[in-house]
Amino acid sequence: KNQVEQSPQSLIILEGKNCTLQCNYTVSPFSNLRWYKQDTGRGPVSLTIMTFSENTKSNGRYTATLDADTKQSSLHITASQLSDSASYICVVRGGTGGFKTIFGAGTRLFVKA
Amino acid sequence: DAGVIQSPRHEVTEMGQEVTLRCKPISGHNSLFWYRQTMMRGLELLIYFNNNVPIDDSGMPEDRFSAKMPNASFSTLKIQPSEPRDSAVYFCASSLLTSGGAGDEQFFGPGTRLTVL
Repeated sequence: KNQVEQSPQSLIILEGKNCTLQCNYTVSPFSNLRWYKQDTGRGPVSLTIMTFSENTKSNGRYTATLDADTKQSSLHITASQLSDSASYICVVRGGTGGFKTIFGAGTRLFVKA
Repeated sequence: DAGVIQSPRHEVTEMGQEVTLRCKPISGHNSLFWYRQTMMRGLELLIYFNNNVPIDDSGMPEDRFSAKMPNASFSTLKIQPSEPRDSAVYFCASSLLTSGGAGDEQFFGPGTRLTVL
């Protein structure tokens, strides 16, 4: 079964600290993986996309990694800011019988001053 | 471009009433998605259209839900009759869907917060 699991469910960190969010998937065949950021009361916005051949991709203070062999991805946030407080959703595209888009449940990040 | 436009932003209705949610996708996009989001279940794909044709409606919870896309610039999601358990935020998203490449980012609208009393 094609699944995307994220951990932790929620996370509280102090402003300025780093954190890493995890995403494990069982989707096969794999096409790509995106990390979305969803601010409270708004729709998700794409942060990064990674395809099979990419291991690391950065977008400002956000760095995503992908290990296609172990089917794991991480999103590392450096020097967190209060505005990083949001839900981070891992989304994998792939699967047999046509390409499907499978959403993880998200990690809720709270950055405290 | 104004992005994906959804209306209304908030809807409060009573159980049994018909609810219609509206979406205008980004011009030039060929795919449109309807999602429902709740605290308990996260984001759930209800249905998606490609070139105005429904491709996958396996996420539509039951016959009370229906969606249409009469043209490339407009879609509706209708719930009739509505029930309290339908209370959620409904998102519409659009994308330029390719055959599996990286150009399939979904752009989400602001959502419609539906409350069924």
